[in-house]
Amino acid sequence: DAMVIQNPRYQVTQFGKPVTLSCSQTLNHNVMYWYQQKSSQAPKLLFHYYDKDFNNEADTPDNFQSRRPNTSFCFLDIRSPGLGDAAMYLCATSQGPWGQYFGPGTRLTVT
Amino acid sequence: DQQVKQNSPSLSVQEGRISILNCDYTNSMFDYFLWYKKYPAEGPTFLISISSIKDKNEDGRFTVFLNKSAKHLSLHIVPSQPGDSAVYFCAAKGNSGNTPLVFGKGTRLSVIA
Repeated sequence: DAMVIQNPRYQVTQFGKPVTLSCSQTLNHNVMYWYQQKSSQAPKLLFHYYDKDFNNEADTPDNFQSRRPNTSFCFLDIRSPGLGDAAMYLCATSQGPWGQYFGPGTRLTVT
Repeated sequence: DQQVKQNSPSLSVQEGRISILNCDYTNSMFDYFLWYKKYPAEGPTFLISISSIKDKNEDGRFTVFLNKSAKHLSLHIVPSQPGDSAVYFCAAKGNSGNTPLVFGKGTRLSVIA
């Protein structure tokens, strides 16, 4: 089955210790997105790749970086996680701008 | 500044009855709207969408209505089933290029058997 896969599902990191979340897709979609979702909040778009073009949302902190080495994979790097970065991180893909398919998410805990 | 608003954080409905989830938007440039369903510990799953050229789209038990003049859309689920219990997110986007989706905060639907 074509899908969006996120690893790990649960990640615990220490305050200030860099962490990388990964996302892969078998849908061959050209757009990949990273969202942050905190409890009872709307998913907040951090950035997205349209093919190789990187698009950063204006209010995404510099602490958050992303890499997309190829069509299938996209990574979210948090350089110095703070307690406020604890959240669910959702990866999504789409073919063009329409209808996004989401992965199961990675729940990040910062201790 | 929320461009997509779901003003009801939660809704409880009896099994077999109709569930109506509401969504309002402020950006008149939005012309494509989607509903996502999310179970705990899972990512959102696409449910149904509607383009601004339509005022209704139906898929089985799910119907989305769009009122452009009121900037309002609603999702109707009939009959509601216990398995429909989830958080429902409304999302919207414009039609230019790759503008991303803007999500509401979600409404938690509980269908009571």
